[in-house]
Amino acid sequence: GENVEQHPSTLSVQEGDSAVIKCTYSDSASNYFPWYKQELGKGPQLIIDIRSNVGEKKDQRIAVTLNKTAKHFSLHITETQPEDSAVYFCAASKWNTDKLIFGTGTRLQVFP
Amino acid sequence: KAGVTQTPRYLIKTRGQQVTLSCSPISGHRSVSWYQQTPGQGLQFLFEYFSETQRNKGNFPGRFSGRQFSNSRSEMNVSTLELGDSALYLCASSIGDREDTEAFFGQGTRLTVV
Repeated sequence: GENVEQHPSTLSVQEGDSAVIKCTYSDSASNYFPWYKQELGKGPQLIIDIRSNVGEKKDQRIAVTLNKTAKHFSLHITETQPEDSAVYFCAASKWNTDKLIFGTGTRLQVFP
Repeated sequence: KAGVTQTPRYLIKTRGQQVTLSCSPISGHRSVSWYQQTPGQGLQFLFEYFSETQRNKGNFPGRFSGRQFSNSRSEMNVSTLELGDSALYLCASSIGDREDTEAFFGQGTRLTVV
């Protein structure tokens, strides 16, 4: 069935260091991979996404890479700041639906 | 541009009651999806509506239902509430164009069943 695994579940880094979160999806028909950031008491916020026809996408300090063969995609945050502290979710969906299958989340803590 | 608006923000209900949650999508968005978020199960898809039609449905019992109106606003209903229905219910809207699937979430409705 459809499944997205996400690792690690928690990640602590020093301010200025990089953070990497990895996800693996099971459905080879998946073609859209968004990443969401959720702060306490708020809904998930879309921060970056990638489609299956692209291998990498960057937006300032965040980047996402996709390996379709291995069914892996990763979120990279460089020069982390305390305000990056939140729970991050990866997700996957297929072309013919808006249904998102979410990973289990990664709690990122950035220490000053 | 206003974001996705969910009302109410908080609800407390008793077991056996029913509840209706509301979602107003971003202006111009025609697709609305609902998700349940719990500490144990994470974010789980409930259903998706587009142009007043249910386009996709998750693996939830029939007590969970939804609908969408002609102005794209959506409601979800949970009947015969159980303690396990306590969760954050999130609504996401998107344009609905298969080529543009970016989904934007509201703040959610926190439902507590006692």
